[in-house]
Amino acid sequence: QQQVKQSPQSLIVQKGGISIINCAYENTAFDYFPWYQQFPGKGPALLIAIRPDVSEKKEGRFTISFNKSAKQFSLHIMDSQPGDSATYFCAASISNRDDKIIFGKGTRLHILP
Amino acid sequence: ETGVTQSPTHLIKTRGQQVTLRCSSQSGHNTVSWYQQALGQGPQFIFQYYREEENGRGNFPPRFSGLQFPNYSSELNVNALELDDSALYLCASSLGWGHETQYFGPGTRLLVL
Repeated sequence: QQQVKQSPQSLIVQKGGISIINCAYENTAFDYFPWYQQFPGKGPALLIAIRPDVSEKKEGRFTISFNKSAKQFSLHIMDSQPGDSATYFCAASISNRDDKIIFGKGTRLHILP
Repeated sequence: ETGVTQSPTHLIKTRGQQVTLRCSSQSGHNTVSWYQQALGQGPQFIFQYYREEENGRGNFPPRFSGLQFPNYSSELNVNALELDDSALYLCASSLGWGHETQYFGPGTRLLVL
C-alpha cells in the first residue's frame, strides 16, 4: 500500500520556469510533510517542510502548498535553475511516533539551460 | 558540526553472505534511522534506534538487524544476502525521538551478485 503518491515521475522545465511536483497522502494521522532533494551519489537533503495547520510555506524560490481537505500537497520551484536538476521526494511522518518517514517514489527534475 | 557519515561507500557481496554497514550520527543526535533505497525508488524505512534501543521497524525480515552504540554510532547487519538486497542503504540521524527532521548520510551502495 503506497501511502504517499507522487507525480510526475519525471519533469523537464526550461530555465526560469516554474517546476511543480504533486503529492497525495492517505493517512490523516500524518502531521509532518518534508520535501527532500537528492543529487546522484548523495543522500537526500531536507529542502523544506510543512505542517497541516499551514496552507503555504515559502523559503526562497521553494514553496509548499498544502490542501488538508484534499490530502494533497505540492512543491513549486520558482525561477528554476540548472542547479535544481535532481530527484525530489515528498514524504510524510507522524510526530512522536517512531519517526519513520514515508517517501513518495520521487520525481526526476531536469532544468534545461 | 559534522554531518552524518557512512562506511563503506560501496560494497560487493555474493548471495548468502553477511554484511555490516556503519553510520556515525551528526553531532548531538541520539536517534538513528536506516532506510533502503532501491534504484529509482524512494527510501524505505528499515528501523530506528533511540538511545541504543530499537524504537520502530518497517516491513523488513529479521535478517536485517541493527545496533546503536553509546556514542550513538550505528550498524546495520544483513544476513543471508539476497539479490534483491542490492540497494543504497541510508542512515539518518535526528536530535531525538519525536524530532521529525532527519539528516541523511551519503549512503552505502550494496551490490549482491
